Amino acid sequence: KAGVTQTPRYLIKTRGQQVTLSCSPISGHRSVSWYQQTPGQGLQFLFEYFSETQRNKGNFPGRFSGRQFSNSRSEMNVSTLELGDSALYLCASSLAQGAGEQYFGPGTRLTVT
Amino acid sequence: GENVEQHPSTLSVQEGDSAVIKCTYSDSASNYFPWYKQELGKRPQLIIDIRSNVGEKKDQRIAVTLNKTAKHFSLHITETQPEDSAVYFCAAMNTGGFKTIFGAGTRLFVKA
Repeated sequence: KAGVTQTPRYLIKTRGQQVTLSCSPISGHRSVSWYQQTPGQGLQFLFEYFSETQRNKGNFPGRFSGRQFSNSRSEMNVSTLELGDSALYLCASSLAQGAGEQYFGPGTRLTVT
Repeated sequence: GENVEQHPSTLSVQEGDSAVIKCTYSDSASNYFPWYKQELGKRPQLIIDIRSNVGEKKDQRIAVTLNKTAKHFSLHITETQPEDSAVYFCAAMNTGGFKTIFGAGTRLFVKA
């Protein structure tokens, strides 16, 4: 079974721009969570989706949004990028809602200049 | 809000020694506690997990213990090897709330 995939792997954007990141979960997995990883803050929970519905959201501003499609693929969008948004964005999939075990993708490294 | 504290932030041990990493969580509704290992430049990998109805779980050289009363859980690695060198993250999840809170990570160095 293929693992979690994320595209693109690397991205450089300018302050004020917006960006869309994509995550394809393991086949059969219906829950997708997104995390921001920075050296100073560790892994911070962004949001979780199941069956195209956002079930929970972390403490991030409204500039961070996401969605999930009927095939469980998920996207996250960051608008009006700030320098502080530079981070590794990881998604993780799990078999079912609240199943526990999460499997991470390789991440998208976003650099905002 | 929910919080997971992880200690120590850095741990250096000699090959063959044991390593212990401790975490404390704040949300009493947490019922699932995974541990992830992240090597440099790679994705976090689940290495062991424990649910709230179990006090201890072991998988070869790795074990995790959970004290629900104290809201405390620990990772124990015995007979450490250089390939155990990585950053280890603990996490606490309320599977009904669909949200996982991670600790800040422990950088483990195993000296050959």
